[in-house]
Amino acid sequence: DAGVTQSPTHLIKTRGQQVTLRCSPKSGHDTVSWYQQALGQGPQFIFQYYEEEERQRGNFPDRFSGHQFPNYSSELNVNALLLGDSALYLCASSWRLQDTEAFFGQGTRLTVV
Amino acid sequence: AQKVTQAQTEISVVEKEDVTLDCVYETRDTTYYLFWYKQPPSGELVFLIRRNSFDEQNEISGRYSWNFQKSTSSFNFTITASQVVDSAVYFCALLNQAGTALIFGKGTTLSVSS
Repeated sequence: DAGVTQSPTHLIKTRGQQVTLRCSPKSGHDTVSWYQQALGQGPQFIFQYYEEEERQRGNFPDRFSGHQFPNYSSELNVNALLLGDSALYLCASSWRLQDTEAFFGQGTRLTVV
Repeated sequence: AQKVTQAQTEISVVEKEDVTLDCVYETRDTTYYLFWYKQPPSGELVFLIRRNSFDEQNEISGRYSWNFQKSTSSFNFTITASQVVDSAVYFCALLNQAGTALIFGKGTTLSVSS
């Protein structure tokens, strides 16, 4: 049973560029949440997708957007990258919006130069 | 507002020592969930335990134990007879009011030397 998988593992982008990160949820899960973890900090909630809609959003600007596909996989898009967007981006999956059983992927390390 | 505080930034111990990681939370909800996650250098958050606010029994799982005290809003984590493999960053987290997002503390880095 595959857990949560994220791609790519590492990514280097230039300021102003756009990036897309991908997440496949654990088998049987239909809800995907995205978190940003800056160096030395705890993860911060970005948003959550369920039934292909954004259900809740944390305190992040509109440059951060997402999508969920019919197979429950998800993408996180970040436009106009800033140096401060450099972080580990974690995807978590769960069932029916309830994060009481959330499982996390290994993350995508994004470096903006 | 909901908040999780992990006051210990870094802890260093020698193998076989016991170590306790502190977690203090703030919430106005009567029903809530608390979690502990382990983050090894690989980056993945590994689930350790979930505790709901109605269950104040302490839990033990092998060398790991958790002390939940609502009176002091604390949910502390103890590793008995620590091992080098326990070296990681440990996060305490609170599930938000909507039950849809985890609120994490800043984490405690545990280093266990041999």
